[in-house]
Amino acid sequence: AQSVAQPEDQVNVAEGNPLTVKCTYSVSGNPYLFWYVQYPNRGLQFLLKYITGDNLVKGSYGFEAEFNKSQTSFHLKKPSALVSDSALYFCAVRPDSNYQLIWGAGTKLIIKP
Amino acid sequence: DTAVSQTPKYLVTQMGNDKSIKCEQNLGHDTMYWYKQDSKKFLKIMFSYNNKELIINETVPNRFSPKSPDKAHLNLHINSLELGDSAVYFCASSLRTSGVSYEQYFGPGTRLTVT
Repeated sequence: AQSVAQPEDQVNVAEGNPLTVKCTYSVSGNPYLFWYVQYPNRGLQFLLKYITGDNLVKGSYGFEAEFNKSQTSFHLKKPSALVSDSALYFCAVRPDSNYQLIWGAGTKLIIKP
Repeated sequence: DTAVSQTPKYLVTQMGNDKSIKCEQNLGHDTMYWYKQDSKKFLKIMFSYNNKELIINETVPNRFSPKSPDKAHLNLHINSLELGDSAVYFCASSLRTSGVSYEQYFGPGTRLTVT
């Protein structure tokens, strides 16, 4: 079965340190990969996507993600974390030209001052 | 403002009632979705419409009925509400180009509480 895994329920990072939120997937073909962020009591906001091309994609709020085909991973990164980055982060994968996204369970990111 | 909007933002109702949630997008998208987010924050796709045609219909009780009067609107009607229906319901939209739907844009959510 096709799936997306976010192995960490929660990630704690000190402000100013680099952060990584992990995502691995198991889908057939060449998937499209997405990261979304959800702030408390808000809807999800699109952060970035990988469709094709350069494996390192840059997105909103200084975030970037690296696509690794051999490891079937799409980890979200930021060089220097801000307290305001604290939120719930979702990885999502679309298998080839399917309509439907397969969602990870979400990772709560906590940035401590 | 260009966005996906939902009404109402909060909905508190008793078991057995019938309620509707409305969604509108002015982004010019042709595909719309309903998601349910439970108390553990898991996201579950419920329905999706492309150009008013139902394209995703997950295993959802038939008490839930979507309706898309046009490409910019997707409403969700729920009959005979149950306690387990309590959740946050998100509407989303995307543009399908050359057979591929790209990123989805989400509404602010409707928090449904059934008592």
